[in-house]
Amino acid sequence: GQNIDQPTEMTATEGAIVQINCTYQTSGFNGLFWYQQHAGEAPTFLSYNVLDGLEEKGRFSSFLSRSKGYSYLLLKELQMKDSASYLCAVGRGSTLGRLYFGRGTQLTVWP
Amino acid sequence: ETGVTQTPRHLVMGMTNKKSLKCEQHLGHNAMYWYKQSAKKPLELMFVYSLEERVENNSVPSRFSPECPNSSHLFLHLHTLQPEDSALYLCASSQGGGNYGYTFGSGTRLTVV
Repeated sequence: GQNIDQPTEMTATEGAIVQINCTYQTSGFNGLFWYQQHAGEAPTFLSYNVLDGLEEKGRFSSFLSRSKGYSYLLLKELQMKDSASYLCAVGRGSTLGRLYFGRGTQLTVWP
Repeated sequence: ETGVTQTPRHLVMGMTNKKSLKCEQHLGHNAMYWYKQSAKKPLELMFVYSLEERVENNSVPSRFSPECPNSSHLFLHLHTLQPEDSALYLCASSQGGGNYGYTFGSGTRLTVV
């Protein structure tokens, strides 16, 4: 099985930086994904890490440490529209993607 | 039309009804998935289809019956559901191993009364 743990809720103010952590335990690991999901909408792909280190994409960055079973999503220059649920997901399997998700972190950005 | 489309967006059904959820992807992907999203719980992987063959069934009750007639379409047939089956049902597609991420549909919000 897999255990994926992330905080339930976080709050921050506009313009700030927030880091959402995710820890996992799994077999057959083949990558760590972050998704954003606004209320009532589909999850949308944010990032994918398979090697250790930091991947930067605009205001969003994602970090992975495979040895520690740890990832974080860093959001900079927060905007009101960043209020959403952020889902950490672990990929398993060598030939066909199977994603297993954490419960999601509900981020609220205040003005 | 692009992306992954799910219909209906909302569905209310009685426990004795039979209904079907539909998913269609226009991305040329070769794998499709059904997920269940309940309040306060992680997204649960239900079924995986690769090239129209079911390759995974995560111990889903038989009252949920998937069908994949071709690589662009996926159905979830529902019968004699229980109130605890009320949830958001999400369809997703990917190319190969999905290492570039899934594309999700907007989901069907199902309420069983």
